[in-house]
Parts: sequence; C-alpha cells; structure tokens
Amino acid sequence: EVQLVESGGGLVQPGGSLRLSCAASGFSFSNYWMHWVRQAPGKGLVWVSRINSDGISSTYADSVKGRFTISRDNAKNTLYLQMNSLRAEDTAVYHCARETERSGSYFDYWGQGTLVTVSS
Amino acid sequence: EIVMTQSPATLSVSPGERATLSCRASQSVSSNLAWYQQKPGQAPRLLIYGASTRATGIPARFSGGGSGTEFSLTISSLQSEDFAVYYCQQYNNWPGTFGQGTKVEMK
Repeated sequence: EVQLVESGGGLVQPGGSLRLSCAASGFSFSNYWMHWVRQAPGKGLVWVSRINSDGISSTYADSVKGRFTISRDNAKNTLYLQMNSLRAEDTAVYHCARETERSGSYFDYWGQGTLVTVSS
Repeated sequence: EIVMTQSPATLSVSPGERATLSCRASQSVSSNLAWYQQKPGQAPRLLIYGASTRATGIPARFSGGGSGTEFSLTISSLQSEDFAVYYCQQYNNWPGTFGQGTKVEMK
C-alpha cells in the first residue's frame, strides 16, 4: 500500500525556518518525481515545488522561489522541504504528492499533510 | 498561468441524486485535466485523469467529460461517502493549476 506521511509542521515566527519531511512507503520511491502542494486554511490547493526522481532537478512556484528548497534522500525514502524566511502567507497545510508515472504532471497519491502556522 | 474556475462553489444534493460539477480553463488544456476528491482532514484522492479516465479503484458512478476549456465531473447516484470537496487540476501547462473547489453537501 502506498503511503506518504508528512511531519515537521508547527508554529513559527515570521522570518523563521522549518523543515518538513515526507516519509514514503509501499512503492519504489526513487522512481518517482515528487511534489509539495499547500492548502491555506479554508482555501484551495496550490502547487509549491517539485523534484525529479534522482534529486538533481527541482522547480518552484514564484511565491517561494529563493526561500524554499526541496530535496530528497532516496536511501531513506524521504522527501524534504526546507522553508526559510517564512511569511504569514505561507501558513497552510503542506501535502507531499507523488507524480503519476504516466505522462502528465498530476498526482496519484497524496499525504494527509502537516500544518505550518507562521505567526508572532 | 492557466486559471481554473469551478462552479458551483457549493452543490446541495440528496443521496441517490445525480450531481454535475463544472470546471472551466482560461485557455485550452486539451484533455490534460484531473479531478480529486478531498474529505475534511484527509489527503486528496485522484478520481479522474485525462479528463475522462477513472483512476484505479474509483467506482463507475464517477465519470468525467469535456476537452479544451470546458469539463465536467458527474456522480450518477450520490452515496453518503461522496459528500466532499472536489478539485479540478490542469496539467497541460506548467505549473499545473487547481480550481478553487466545489463542495458537495447533503441537501
């Protein structure tokens, strides 16, 4: 069974940092591109970042470029999101998601998410 | 960036009734459209990809249609477990963008 379990969320002050983790199991993690998608309270889904299967190539939404860094450890089957210079508008549930192996950047499995709250 | 607009924002339906949700793209996305279901506190679940192909394990009462800029998701006979928020996502252009969601609630 495919499982994605996020952790590392919490309350952080504006300007602070946080590192999220996503533990993957039930599939060959190293074969898949992985993404982070966030959801502000009561709002819709917004793509944040993606990383290719070997971790060499990554892409970011303009809103987080230069502040967030996505990475992965294929030996540990874990995806990460390092978030620096956090702002109030970064407050959201952060989901990791697996990109389908079929053609197209949509997501066939998601985690439940971890809540990040940026507030003083 | 392609803007996805879903309607209605909320749909009130009785169990056993048919529900039709709409999703419009600001420019053509061909058939590169996915639908997801999300229940409170849960992960989104892939329902439909390629505008009309059901994902693995999705019941036949869910069907998707459309191409270009106009898409629909139909639930033929609503079950209690279908009350949720539904999102469309285009993946024709990078970055993939989501609609704001349609909440299907019990009437």
